[in-house]
Amino acid sequence: GAVVSQHPSWVICKSGTSVKIECRSLDFQATTMFWYRQFPKQSLMLMATSNEGSKATYEQGVEKDKFLINHASLTLSTLTVTSAHPEDSSFYICSADRYQEYEQYFGPGTRLTVT
Amino acid sequence: AQKVTQAQTEISVVEKEDVTLDCVYETRDTTYYLFWYKQPPSGELVFLIRRNSFDEQNEISGRYSWNFQKSTSSFNFTITASQVVDSAVYFCALSGPSGTYKYIFGTGTRLKVLA
Repeated sequence: GAVVSQHPSWVICKSGTSVKIECRSLDFQATTMFWYRQFPKQSLMLMATSNEGSKATYEQGVEKDKFLINHASLTLSTLTVTSAHPEDSSFYICSADRYQEYEQYFGPGTRLTVT
Repeated sequence: AQKVTQAQTEISVVEKEDVTLDCVYETRDTTYYLFWYKQPPSGELVFLIRRNSFDEQNEISGRYSWNFQKSTSSFNFTITASQVVDSAVYFCALSGPSGTYKYIFGTGTRLKVLA
């Protein structure tokens, strides 16, 4: 158990457009979902934490108006990159945890390229 | 503050050699969790191990072993008889209540196993 999916696995979009990435916990209800971004040859950087039905908590330096997070249900969170620019090109990874397990289950990641 | 240090940026070994990846952590929590993940070129994080702060027993899983030493705040990972398929980036991570159980990742160690 504890499978997390992401869709799409890769996406190419034009500068100025918005793109939505979905993160789903397939076989469990997630207490919290997390969004990370990872630049080439770097570590994962936490962008935000979200709980179902609540506003996301963004890490310092992350533009909340640019990276919109919606956590509509216990199994689905979405990240929308608005007005994307080439510098937003990155690998985006989501994760989810279960109540009081203190362990995150990671999705396979979404590679975003903005042209 | 919580911190994870992986001082080895990149390691190259020849197949069948043993290799140890170092992880040093800092936390003021008495209860905390340590993790190791493998990230192959595909990008998906592969869970390797989780250890809680009260369990200092060393762990062995096949060719993988982990040495957890609270006295030196280290959680090192050894691959015995390395194989080309072990080539990947390996991340150590820490979570605990003082960080609201968010993961603190190290910068990762890139392991190259040469045939």
